[in-house]
Amino acid sequence: EVQLVESGGGLVQPGRSLRLSCAASGFTFDDYAMNWVRQPPGKGLEWVSGVSWNSGVIGYADSVKGRFTISRDSAKNSLYLQMNSLRPEDTALYYCVRGYTYALKHYFDYWGQGALVTVPS
Amino acid sequence: QSVLTQPPSASGTPGQRVTISCSGSSSNIGSNYGNWYQQVPGTAPKLLIYSNNQRPSGVPDRFSGSKSGTSASLAISGLQSEDEADYYCASWDDSLSGWVFGGGTKLTVL
Repeated sequence: EVQLVESGGGLVQPGRSLRLSCAASGFTFDDYAMNWVRQPPGKGLEWVSGVSWNSGVIGYADSVKGRFTISRDSAKNSLYLQMNSLRPEDTALYYCVRGYTYALKHYFDYWGQGALVTVPS
Repeated sequence: QSVLTQPPSASGTPGQRVTISCSGSSSNIGSNYGNWYQQVPGTAPKLLIYSNNQRPSGVPDRFSGSKSGTSASLAISGLQSEDEADYYCASWDDSLSGWVFGGGTKLTVL
């Protein structure tokens, strides 16, 4: 059974940093692209970042480019999101999401339960 | 403002058929697949339709998808109370080199 479990969320002051982690299990982690998708309270979904199976291709939404860094560790079957210079508009539930295959442009097939990040204004 | 445009709400009575539209452009739906996700309030989104019209195993055949030009559509026939949820379309965007979502459609079963 595919499982994606996020951790590392919390309350953080504007301008500070936070690192999200996602522990993956139930599948061969190295075979799949991984993504972060966020959802502000009461609002819609926004793709934040994605990384291909071998970290060869990485993409970011314009809203986080230059501030967020995605990475993956195959030895730990884990995905990370380093978030710097946080802003109130980054407040959201952050989902760890698996891509269907190794590349970024295939659909998302499994979602974690999310980690809440709150940046007060 | 979302890159893909969906109606904010839709409704129907049990047994009816409802359709939700998703309008994009040549750089996303026009040249890539449309996908749909269902989100029941308080839960994570779930894959509903992929590659325009394919259903993952376990998704009832009451749900169907289609694509025409730069638009995608989700149809739900034989509407049931448990279909009440938010529905999001998504597609890869070649110009942005990233994924784009619609703003979501809240489906109410009357």
